[in-house]
Amino acid sequence: GAVVSQHPSWVICKSGTSVKIECRSLDFQATTMFWYRQFPKQSLMLMATSNEGSKATYEQGVEKDKFLINHASLTLSTLTVTSAHPEDSSFYICSARDGNHQETQYFGPGTRLLVL
Amino acid sequence: GQNIDQPTEMTATEGAIVQINCTYQTSGFNGLFWYQQHAGEAPTFLSYNVLDGLEEKGRFSSFLSRSKGYSYLLLKELQMKDSASYLCAVLDSNYQLIWGAGTKLIIKP
Repeated sequence: GAVVSQHPSWVICKSGTSVKIECRSLDFQATTMFWYRQFPKQSLMLMATSNEGSKATYEQGVEKDKFLINHASLTLSTLTVTSAHPEDSSFYICSARDGNHQETQYFGPGTRLLVL
Repeated sequence: GQNIDQPTEMTATEGAIVQINCTYQTSGFNGLFWYQQHAGEAPTFLSYNVLDGLEEKGRFSSFLSRSKGYSYLLLKELQMKDSASYLCAVLDSNYQLIWGAGTKLIIKP
């Protein structure tokens, strides 16, 4: 099946620093990528949807200036958490949609962020 | 609004059968997914139903009734490793996934 990778898988940073998370589709072209956040014992929360070459669409309540998303190529999207604070500590998961199969999203393994 | 309902938690015995229900109300429908998520890991795909009926895949089966806005995931011959959260998600008219809150399944020996 299709593979999506995320890097890093784990990051610990100090409050106020910025963290970049990469999401790559390894064997297909992802016209659309999704970024989710999941707090402990809660369901996935969609943060934003990004289409290659255009600006991301953010869900209500998600600060676009704090969570910068770039989807510059068909295989790579990045999420940058700017000036991270302890409340941003969470599990961030990306998923990618194959342009030829709109019904399927493939999930990355997730990135666990801990802000001290 | 859009809504997906599934039980918060279920308990079952190893070797038994369990059915996890999901009801939905969404703007449009392009299919329903079931995902399995172990603690601390990303979801993994289990099934996709877009037509009414039962889809069987090994120990797992998924059923869909579009007229009733209803689906269930059936797990047979339960194993301890099946302890996980099971997420129901519907693809709406914009091909956006609408997620349920997940059902935590606890398997007891």
